[in-house]
Amino acid sequence: GEDVEQSLFLSVREGDSSVINCTYTDSSSTYLYWYKQEPGAGLQLLTYIFSNMDMKQDQRLTVLLNKKDKHLSLRIADTQTGDSAIYFCAESMGNNNDMRFGAGTRLTVKP
Amino acid sequence: NAGVMQNPRHLVRRRGQEARLRCSPMKGHSHVYWYRQLPEEGLKFMVYLQKENIIDESGMPKERFSAEFPKEGPSILRIQQVVRGDSAAYFCASSPPPRGAGELFFGEGSRLTVL
Repeated sequence: GEDVEQSLFLSVREGDSSVINCTYTDSSSTYLYWYKQEPGAGLQLLTYIFSNMDMKQDQRLTVLLNKKDKHLSLRIADTQTGDSAIYFCAESMGNNNDMRFGAGTRLTVKP
Repeated sequence: NAGVMQNPRHLVRRRGQEARLRCSPMKGHSHVYWYRQLPEEGLKFMVYLQKENIIDESGMPKERFSAEFPKEGPSILRIQQVVRGDSAAYFCASSPPPRGAGELFFGEGSRLTVL
């Protein structure tokens, strides 16, 4: 099976909070990442969390990590139409060539 | 544009032809990575290169695929005798020497369609 799993779709209304979930299997992962891919574009790093942290907040973004359950989430507060994109979860031991990506969650924000 | 540059953005090939995808890393980056993205699948690591060296090609199919990153010029991902299953988006990323959390900087991708 996949090393990193995400649900494929999420739809929310503008102004609501979005929560995108991810599970991973490698307990030795050191870093967990969220990347954003807008239509026709490459991936862009949104944020990352070190495995010894359980939460990281950056403006409208909140990352929660449950290392015991190997569960990572990304919460976007006050979701805007510009947040519509595919969000990829990734994990790594700190070597870029071992970064493993999930299939991506397509977030659709409805007005 | 100082970002990772990939070309062509779109490439159409017939079965049996060759596809060449090019990637120029960000200025100052000496590490290049190629990923393949199939519909509704995550990015799959293919190969990691430094100038004139293949560091890790564990994700490359054993046949028909090759990659290089010469001393001068862009990195090239070459697919010989393409088949329909090669249709995908191929992303290149670059980075400085990995340190700490690291970050990959991605290009906009090359979308290969095999007819």
